[in-house]
Amino acid sequence: KQEVTQIPAALSVPEGENLVLNCSFTDSAIYNLQWFRQDPGKGLTSLLLIQSSQREQTSGRLNASLDKSSGRSTLYIAASQPGDSATYLCAGAGGTSYGKLTFGQGTILTVHP
Amino acid sequence: EPEVTQTPSHQVTQMGQEVILRCVPISNHLYFYWYRQILGQKVEFLVSFYNNEISEKSEIFDDQFSVERPDGSNFTLKIRSTKLEDSAMYFCASRAVQETQYFGPGTRLLVL
Repeated sequence: KQEVTQIPAALSVPEGENLVLNCSFTDSAIYNLQWFRQDPGKGLTSLLLIQSSQREQTSGRLNASLDKSSGRSTLYIAASQPGDSATYLCAGAGGTSYGKLTFGQGTILTVHP
Repeated sequence: EPEVTQTPSHQVTQMGQEVILRCVPISNHLYFYWYRQILGQKVEFLVSFYNNEISEKSEIFDDQFSVERPDGSNFTLKIRSTKLEDSAMYFCASRAVQETQYFGPGTRLLVL
């Protein structure tokens, strides 16, 4: 059974800092890994998806990496801004093509001016 | 940009009542999902739906739950007899053949 863990649980940084969020998973037979952003009381916004055959994906100031052998993914946020404050979730898609996602508990990020 | 929509945004119901949560997935998507998030806990998978049938379901998705795609646009989750522990945010998601899942804004269900 897939288990996904995220550390740290919470992170507070000053504006402009580069930061790394960590995600680990127990079953390396994932189909893909997706990073989401969740604002308080809101839905999930997809940020990046990394296929199991890929090592990293980039979108603007975000870069996500995937290392299946070690069961780890990282989300790197460059030059953080107060608007980046949110909960960041990683989720691994199961080993079937139907894509059931198993989520971590999230990292609560606060970027203060 | 196309998006997944869900109605209602909030629903309050009495224990034992039936509720139907509605979702309109993105129009060309083929795979549909329901997830839920109990306050302060992880997002949990409930069920996936493809080609007009359930493709996978979790242990949570017992006989009290059902899903339906009654027409070409809607995707519903029915809870037959709600329990206090069904109180949660329910998210619908959809995807095309390409694998990114797009989530709706959620329905907050409160069972009293």
